[in-house]
Amino acid sequence: KNQVEQSPQSLIILEGKNCTLQCNYTVSPFSNLRWYKQDTGRGPVSLTIMTFSENTKSNGRYTATLDADTKQSSLHITASQLSDSASYICVVRNNAGNMLTFGGGTRLMVKP
Amino acid sequence: GAGVSQSPSNKVTEKGKDVELRCDPISGHTALYWYRQSLGQGLEFLIYFQGNSAPDKSGLPSDRFSAERTGGSVSTLTIQRTQQEDSAVYLCASSPNPSLRGTDTQYFGPGTRLTVL
Repeated sequence: KNQVEQSPQSLIILEGKNCTLQCNYTVSPFSNLRWYKQDTGRGPVSLTIMTFSENTKSNGRYTATLDADTKQSSLHITASQLSDSASYICVVRNNAGNMLTFGGGTRLMVKP
Repeated sequence: GAGVSQSPSNKVTEKGKDVELRCDPISGHTALYWYRQSLGQGLEFLIYFQGNSAPDKSGLPSDRFSAERTGGSVSTLTIQRTQQEDSAVYLCASSPNPSLRGTDTQYFGPGTRLTVL
């Protein structure tokens, strides 16, 4: 069964600090993995997308890593800002039927 | 330019009634996706359209759910005989003609909040 597990479920950090969010998946055959940021009441916004051959990809203060062997990904946020408070969702696509499997998300709160 | 729009933004209905949700994708986007997000839950994939056809409908939660897309543009998601567990935010997303590797970026609409009493 295709599954995507994210941890932690929620996280509170102080402004300026770094944090790392985890995503483990069992989706097969793997096509790509994407991290989304979803603000409350808004649709998700894509942060990074990674294919099988990519290990690291950055988008500003966001850096995603992918280990296709262990089927793990992480999203590292550097020098957090209050506006980083949101849900971060890991989504994995498989090559069969263009299906997406969503993780449950990590709810991040950045406090001043 | 105009993004993905959905209507209505909010819908309250009685249990057992039928509802129809509408999605207007970005002009020219061939792929269209429907998701739902229940309170406190992650996004749940429902169905994907490439043009007017849906190659995989297995994400629809029951036979009360159906979706169609006409003219490669507007899509409607219909829920018949609504149940309380259908209450959720229904999100639509569209993307340009996806590559074979499926690396297209999806652009999400604002969602329709459905409440079934």
